[in-house]
Amino acid sequence: EPEVTQTPSHQVTQMGQEVILRCVPISNHLYFYWYRQILGQKVEFLVSFYNNEISEKSEIFDDQFSVERPDGSNFTLKIRSTKLEDSAMYFCASIADTNTEAFFGQGTRLTVV
Amino acid sequence: AQKVTQAQTEISVVEKEDVTLDCVYETRDTTYYLFWYKQPPSGELVFLIRRNSFDEQNEISGRYSWNFQKSTSSFNFTITASQVVDSAVYFCALTPNQAGTALIFGKGTTLSVSS
Repeated sequence: EPEVTQTPSHQVTQMGQEVILRCVPISNHLYFYWYRQILGQKVEFLVSFYNNEISEKSEIFDDQFSVERPDGSNFTLKIRSTKLEDSAMYFCASIADTNTEAFFGQGTRLTVV
Repeated sequence: AQKVTQAQTEISVVEKEDVTLDCVYETRDTTYYLFWYKQPPSGELVFLIRRNSFDEQNEISGRYSWNFQKSTSSFNFTITASQVVDSAVYFCALTPNQAGTALIFGKGTTLSVSS
């Protein structure tokens, strides 16, 4: 069964460092997303990506964040200068078509120290 | 504005009990989709069901059933004869019927099933 793959599963970084979280969405999917879940809280939308550009972003997705689909298979989330409050589980998701179910990756747990 | 409310923060039951997880949503859209996801202790998000706003039929899948009531804006989830493996956080989510729009999640209900 096709799945969304995220790497790494866990990343520890020092405050102020840049991190790149990687995702490989399901190959024939069209829409890609990043969500964030701070420990014990709800899943929050960060950004959606369609046709090689951002289609929607939340207030959380400020100038410190960027996304890229560099090679047609990978979908990356970059945080330029991490803060303690960026510590969270980051989920990548993809969907095949409008409002079909989102397939989520296993998540990357980011810990900023 | 879109909103999903899961008023039950935590529920504890004993194995074999039935349990219902509540979900109430708010939207101005006439067409929308509702979802339930399960997040086990391992952390991944597992899709359970998708329901569109025009389909109010209840759905049953094994021990799981869903009751969609448009009149009360609710989409409740019942687990029959709960098992320890059902222990997880359950999220209800909503998305309007617009291309690629993101999911809006509720805060989740933590279900603990003890043996």
